[in-house]
Order: sequence, then C-alpha cells, then structure tokens
Amino acid sequence: QLQLQESGPGLVKPSETLSLTCTVSGDSISSSSYKWGWIRQPPGKGLEWIGGINYGGTSQYNPSLKSRITISLDTSKNQFSLKLTSVTAADTAVYYCARLYDPWGQGILVTVSS
Amino acid sequence: DIQMTQSPSSLSASVGDRVTITCRASQAISNDLGWYQQKPGKAPKRLLYAAFYLQSGVPSRFSGSGSGTEFTLTISSLQPEDFATYYCLQHNSYPLTFGGGTKVEI
Repeated sequence: QLQLQESGPGLVKPSETLSLTCTVSGDSISSSSYKWGWIRQPPGKGLEWIGGINYGGTSQYNPSLKSRITISLDTSKNQFSLKLTSVTAADTAVYYCARLYDPWGQGILVTVSS
Repeated sequence: DIQMTQSPSSLSASVGDRVTITCRASQAISNDLGWYQQKPGKAPKRLLYAAFYLQSGVPSRFSGSGSGTEFTLTISSLQPEDFATYYCLQHNSYPLTFGGGTKVEI
C-alpha cells in the first residue's frame, strides 16, 4: 500500500529556507510513471498547489512561488523534497506531499516565526 | 491560470439530504478534474477522478458529472460521516488549481 510521510522542521525563521522531505513507501519514485508533488494549506484556508516532479526529474512550479521553490528527487532513498527560500509569515501552512493526484501524506504544519 | 469557482462555499444540510456542489472552470479542462473530501485535521482524500469515476472504496452515494467547464459532485443521501469540506482540483494544465472549497455542515 502506497504511503507518503512528510518530515522536516515545524518552525522556520523569517527570511530562512523551509526544507521538507517526503518519504515514499509502497512504490518506487524512479520507476513509477506518476508525478510527485507538494500542496499547502494555510490555517483555516484552502488548498494551493506548490509544484510537482516526475520520475525523470522534470519539475513544474506554481508561478506564484516559482522564484523561491526547488523540488527534487532522491531516488536512492525513495524520497522527494521541497525547498522554499526567503519565507515569511504568509508561508505558514500545513504542507502535504502527494503522488499526484492521490494519495497524500498526512501533512506537516510549518510555522514561520522568529 | 485556470480559475476554479466552487459553489456554494458552505451549506447546511441534514442526514438523508441530497447535496450538490458545483465547480466551474474558467476555460475548458476536458474531464481532468478530481473531487476531494477533507475532514478537520486530516489530509484531503480523493473521492472521484476524471470527473465521474469513483475512487476505490468510496461509497456509491457519491457521484460526479460534467465535462468542459462545469462539474458537479452529488451526494445522494448525506450520511453523518459526510460532514466535511469538499474541494475540486483541475489537472488539465499547470498550475494545478483547486476550487475554494465547500463546507458541508449540519
């Protein structure tokens, strides 16, 4: 059964870089024809697609965040990761990883605060 | 970007009611649309894909219809466990975009 699990710090200081990892079990990200992605949800608000990457390493990013995002694969660990630079309080959200478009990980709350 | 306009943003209903939620796309997206259910503190769970195909394990009281720009999620007989927030997601073109959500309340 495919499972995804987000990990990373729950607190990041303003202007620093948010780094999250998604560990995938039950499927190989390097052999799968699926895409893998990140979605976020600010507290009490709706869902926003951040970006995605395919098994070949080709990525697509939300233009609203594109200048600050990097999504990459680590096939040796069956993981993919998200880096978001220059964070502000507006980046406080629950971050989900997903095999696009289902299933999703349980989510991780990341708070941006000094 | 394709805008997904979801309506209503909230609704009050009773157990046994028939509920309909609509998503309207700002341009045609074929049937590249999924419907998700989210309960408080949980990740969204996909109910339907390709606009009307039921995800495995999802009760048959959920159904979807539509193609192009207008899509509908219907719950034929609302059950207590269906009180949640529902979202549509278009994946026809990047960036992927979600509807604003519909909160189904008692």
